[in-house]
Amino acid sequence: TQLLEQSPQFLSIQEGENLTVYCNSSSVFSSLQWYRQEPGEGPVLLVTVVTGGEVKKLKRLTFQFGDARKDSSLHITAAQPGDTGLYLCAGGDEKLTFGTGTRLTIIP
Amino acid sequence: DTAVSQTPKYLVTQMGNDKSIKCEQNLGHDTMYWYKQDSKKFLKIMFSYNNKELIINETVPNRFSPKSPDKAHLNLHINSLELGDSAVYFCASSPGRRVYGYTFGSGTRLTVV
Repeated sequence: TQLLEQSPQFLSIQEGENLTVYCNSSSVFSSLQWYRQEPGEGPVLLVTVVTGGEVKKLKRLTFQFGDARKDSSLHITAAQPGDTGLYLCAGGDEKLTFGTGTRLTIIP
Repeated sequence: DTAVSQTPKYLVTQMGNDKSIKCEQNLGHDTMYWYKQDSKKFLKIMFSYNNKELIINETVPNRFSPKSPDKAHLNLHINSLELGDSAVYFCASSPGRRVYGYTFGSGTRLTVV
């Protein structure tokens, strides 16, 4: 069974600060995805990374896939209250296995 | 125009009842899924259908029976509901069997009392 551990589990920071969320596994994944979920809604896909070492940027969000394709990170620069939500990494071939989640709160 | 729509949004029912959740996608995707999100927000796959064919059936009690009348619809019927079935159930779709980005519905919060 492929497991994806995310850290930290909870993160609460002030608006304007930077933060990094980690997603780690002992398994190799062909690709990893990051989702954001807001209360009462389903997860929404942010990005897919497929190549070891790949870095993708989405405005203030930077996603990195580890060289060995076992881990990934999400860095947010100058966090804003709108970034608040549950961040989930996910990986797999025919089915997505989701990580344990990071609940992020940005305080205005 | 909602891409993946689930009904109902909320479902409160008594133990022992039978209930159904419906899901429809208008994205033209071939593959649909049911996921269960527990109280700790952990998402776990239950079933997957590709072009109406069941391709993934995780270790889910056989009280749960999915049905896909066509590739745009995937319903979930639950018999003899138990307290532990309380959770949020998400339907999702993707273009094909290999993992692409999933599009999720907004979820059905099931509460068994």
